[in-house]
Amino acid sequence: EIVLTQSPGTLSLSPGESATLSCRASQSFSGDYLGWYQHKLGQAPRLLIYSGSRNAPGIPDRFSAYGSGTEFTLTISRLEPEDFAVYYCHKYGSAPYTFGQGTKLEI
Amino acid sequence: EVQLVESGGGLVQPGRSLRLSCRTSGFIFGDYSMSWVRQAPGKGLEWLGFIRSKAYEEKTEYAASVKGRFTFSRDDSRGIAYVEMSHLKTEDTGVYFCTRGRTSDFWGQGTLVTVST
Repeated sequence: EIVLTQSPGTLSLSPGESATLSCRASQSFSGDYLGWYQHKLGQAPRLLIYSGSRNAPGIPDRFSAYGSGTEFTLTISRLEPEDFAVYYCHKYGSAPYTFGQGTKLEI
Repeated sequence: EVQLVESGGGLVQPGRSLRLSCRTSGFIFGDYSMSWVRQAPGKGLEWLGFIRSKAYEEKTEYAASVKGRFTFSRDDSRGIAYVEMSHLKTEDTGVYFCTRGRTSDFWGQGTLVTVST
């Protein structure tokens, strides 16, 4: 089973700044099967990025992602108040799927 | 509008069973695999598994933590996905989400399952 490790665990930033979130895999896999999700307390998680770098419908281009092999990155530019949440990377494609442990983005 | 609504959660004793439902609308249910994810209190998201569409023989995949205890099924005529959970443990406590497709592009709001005496 591929293990995803996200860093940092918590990221403290201010609105207007940029955030860089990392997701490292224990084994290499295709970035075509990597997604990023935003989760706010009490809400359904929201898909931000699929296939490693494609923005889901309705997701602003302030959110971007890239990576391959074992290293994947989500970047959020010009942080807005509604961006402060927990972010998860997620490997899908071939079972077992797995989630990273999450990065909390806080003000 | 795509909608997924989970139901069936509640308080259950260890060792007992519970069935959750995921009612969907706004898309052709039969075209998609359906996944289940949970979140234990204070923890992150945990993938539980999925059931493929009829085109893929409704084959299922399970996480090691629930294999042999959880069973996924689906009713394409009603647009509902199910998870039958048996031999429940206290560590199965959490919010259970259903999601659409391989990319989990849509999620329900979740239903809380509490396994406790």
